[in-house]
Amino acid sequence: DAGVTQSPTHLIKTRGQQVTLRCSPKSGHDTVSWYQQALGQGPQFIFQYYEEEERQRGNFPDRFSGHQFPNYSSELNVNALLLGDSALYLCASSSPSGSFTGELFFGEGSRLTVL
Amino acid sequence: AQSVTQPDIHITVSEGASLELRCNYSYGATPYLFWYVQSPGQGLQLLLKYFSGDTLVQGIKGFEAEFKRSQSSFNLRKPSVHWSDAAEYFCAVAVIMKTSYDKVIFGPGTSLSVIP
Repeated sequence: DAGVTQSPTHLIKTRGQQVTLRCSPKSGHDTVSWYQQALGQGPQFIFQYYEEEERQRGNFPDRFSGHQFPNYSSELNVNALLLGDSALYLCASSSPSGSFTGELFFGEGSRLTVL
Repeated sequence: AQSVTQPDIHITVSEGASLELRCNYSYGATPYLFWYVQSPGQGLQLLLKYFSGDTLVQGIKGFEAEFKRSQSSFNLRKPSVHWSDAAEYFCAVAVIMKTSYDKVIFGPGTSLSVIP
């Protein structure tokens, strides 16, 4: 049973560029959440997708956008990259809404460096 | 607003010694609380969770945590630390919306070092 997979694992971009990060949730999971973890800090909630719609959003600008596909996989897009966007981006999936397991299953993350 | 604080940025303990990591939360309703661990270069793994019932919850790897509503705390403990426990530990609270939790808010983390 594959867990949460993310790609790419590492990438380097320059300021002003755009980036797309990808996530495949754990089998049987339909909800995907994205987190940004800056160095030495805790994960910060970006947004959550369920039924191909953004259900909740954290305090992130519109430069951060996402998408969820019918197979529940998800993408995180960041436009007009800033140096401060350098971080580990974590994808987490969870079991079907209403089951109340409370557990997030995390991928290994995508390390983005903006130069 | 919901928040989680972890007063200790970094803790160093000797192998075999006991451990307690502190966590305080701010949340208006009954909290759903979690502890996650992150080893270097890896994602987060759930150690344990509290939803309701017994305020002392057991987790994986010999960890336990106690929920104290009066103190808004959810401290993580382990009686005897192993060198492999060196990692970053995050306390988190779930923000419940409608019929299922909608997002999980994490604290800043406590970095644990273990001296052989």
